Amino acid sequence: EAGVAQSPRYKIIEKRQSVAFWCNPISGHATLYWYQQILGQGPKLLIQFQNNGVVDDSQLPKDRFSAERLKGVDSTLKIQPAKLEDSAVYLCASSAGRGAGSETQYFGPGTRLLVL
Amino acid sequence: AQKITQTQPGMFVQEKEAVTLDCTYDTSDQSYGLFWYKQPSSGEMIFLIYQGSYDEQNATEGRYSLNFQKARKSANLVISASQLGDSAMYFCAMRENAGGTSYGKLTFGQGTILTVHP
Repeated sequence: EAGVAQSPRYKIIEKRQSVAFWCNPISGHATLYWYQQILGQGPKLLIQFQNNGVVDDSQLPKDRFSAERLKGVDSTLKIQPAKLEDSAVYLCASSAGRGAGSETQYFGPGTRLLVL
Repeated sequence: AQKITQTQPGMFVQEKEAVTLDCTYDTSDQSYGLFWYKQPSSGEMIFLIYQGSYDEQNATEGRYSLNFQKARKSANLVISASQLGDSAMYFCAMRENAGGTSYGKLTFGQGTILTVHP
């Protein structure tokens, strides 16, 4: 079974530019998550989708970040305009159900973003 | 206040020995879940082990076991017979309200870098 796919793996941009990341979850997984992991820290949830609806975006900086999950499958996370502090690894994860209880989240390899 | 605290920024262990990675947590929920993930230098987070707050026995998965002390709010990961491939960052995470009424957001600690020496 294929795992969570993400692209690109690396991205370097200048501040104020825009960037987009793509995630394809494990086939059939209902819930998709985007995390931001700043160097030296644990991942922080940015947004959680169940199918194509948002269930938690409380920590998403909505003035510059946006995300969508059309048709309840793959997802795109966008930053516009980027700031220096957005330099981080962006991890996508998916889980089979709605993410409760003992349900495991499976992570992709991440996209490393460097904003200059 | 930190919900998940990992007080060891780095740990060293000799190959084939056991090592314990500490994790304490803070929650007022009665129903919650604790997870450990491994993150090698490649960046992918790999699920290792899960412990539910109502589980009476400590969780075990192969060489991994979780030393769960509910009263002390600690959930330490024990890796037995360390291997060179165990060298990685390890994260403890908590899902509050794990009884199923929430959507299961995970909160991660800062992580512990484990280095296994030959």
